Amino acid sequence: QVQLVESGGGVVQPGRSLRLSCAASAFTLRAYGMHWVRQAPGKGLEWVAAMSADGRDKLFADSVEGRFTISRDTSKNALYLQMNTVRADDTALYYCARNSDPGSTWFFDLWGRGTLVIVSS
Amino acid sequence: SSELTQDPNVSVALGQTVRITCQGDSLRSYYASWYRQRPGQAPVLVIYGENNRPSGIPDRFSGSNSGNTASLTITGAQAEDEADYYCKSRDSSGNQVVFGGGTRLAVL
Repeated sequence: QVQLVESGGGVVQPGRSLRLSCAASAFTLRAYGMHWVRQAPGKGLEWVAAMSADGRDKLFADSVEGRFTISRDTSKNALYLQMNTVRADDTALYYCARNSDPGSTWFFDLWGRGTLVIVSS
Repeated sequence: SSELTQDPNVSVALGQTVRITCQGDSLRSYYASWYRQRPGQAPVLVIYGENNRPSGIPDRFSGSNSGNTASLTITGAQAEDEADYYCKSRDSSGNQVVFGGGTRLAVL
């Protein structure tokens, strides 16, 4: 079954680090651009980061630039989001999403169920 | 980065037609895609590109684009269409992705 499953969320203290994982099933991650999107409780969707299919291009939202990194392990078919120096406003449900558009539109045709990150002392 | 603006709340009578709009300068350069999010669920792609529906999305969903505005139209709204709808595009630089603030659709 084609799916994405996120993990690694939890409660983390401000200023600490956390790594989120996104496991892909029934398709090869490296064939697609992959994204992280988050949703704070009761709020809308916010794009966080992206990695191109070839892995060479990485993009970040201004709100996380310099604190978060995105990576993948092709042998494990998994995508990661390394969150450093977390802040209270990083509290959110984090989704990974697949971009199936080889062109310029970038539409996300597959989403995971998300993993919840709570930043609290 | 640019912004995408959506009306926060829209309502439609059961079986009627409703249009949800999304405005932003980047829409002059990039198509929007639209996502439906029901309570407690992950977003689901409903429209992408010029006017394309993924498999499994009913044909009552359609999209259109004009200038800096993208629109999602539901023709003959059903109770199960009640949800939050988000537009998404790239910003004008092409280096970031932006979501609209979302529109909560109530089907009355």
